[in-house]
Amino acid sequence: GAVVSQHPSRVICKSGTSVKIECRSLDFQATTMFWYRQFPKQSLMLMATSNEGSKATYEQGVEKDKFLINHASLTLSTLTVTSAHPEDSSFYICSARGDYSSPLHFGNGTRLTVT
Amino acid sequence: DAKTTQPTSMDCAEGRAANLPCNHSTISGNEYVYWYRQIHSQGPQYIIHGLKNNETNEMASLIITEDRKSSTLILPHATLRDTAVYYCIVRPMNSGGSNYKLTFGKGTLLTVNP
Repeated sequence: GAVVSQHPSRVICKSGTSVKIECRSLDFQATTMFWYRQFPKQSLMLMATSNEGSKATYEQGVEKDKFLINHASLTLSTLTVTSAHPEDSSFYICSARGDYSSPLHFGNGTRLTVT
Repeated sequence: DAKTTQPTSMDCAEGRAANLPCNHSTISGNEYVYWYRQIHSQGPQYIIHGLKNNETNEMASLIITEDRKSSTLILPHATLRDTAVYYCIVRPMNSGGSNYKLTFGKGTLLTVNP
């Protein structure tokens, strides 16, 4: 089945630094990937839609200059949390799909802790 | 996308069938019903989806009522590893690009007890 790989699985960084998270589709090409964020005991909230070769589309309330998304190839999208602060500590999850009839598949998430 | 309603939590004994209900009374004719689950500290896992016919795969069965206003996910022989939050989501078919996104509700926490 379709596999989405996310890296790193955990990261701890200091306040003010930037962190890059990678999302790869391992056995299929993904023109569209989605980035979600999940706070403790809450459901997943969509942050942005990543489109290969074009600018990402951000959900209302998500700062595009803080959460930089790059989707440079059909198998890789990256999310960079810039100037991270403790309130950015969360579980970040990406998802992708292959063709039209395929369901979305999710990565295993990245636990970000900003100290 | 149509809204779904699920119980907050359910319990099931190991080895028994787990039946998870979902109401989607405002579902449109072109919307699929999807089920995902999320085990603690992992990304969501796709389980099954359907439009109007009942579906079965190696993980579960999906029973959709004739009026499509509700559905039930059935795990035939629940194990401890099936303890997770189960999400029922509806989304339009044939929606590509950014319209393919899934909107997650609160889901049902299924606890399988030994």
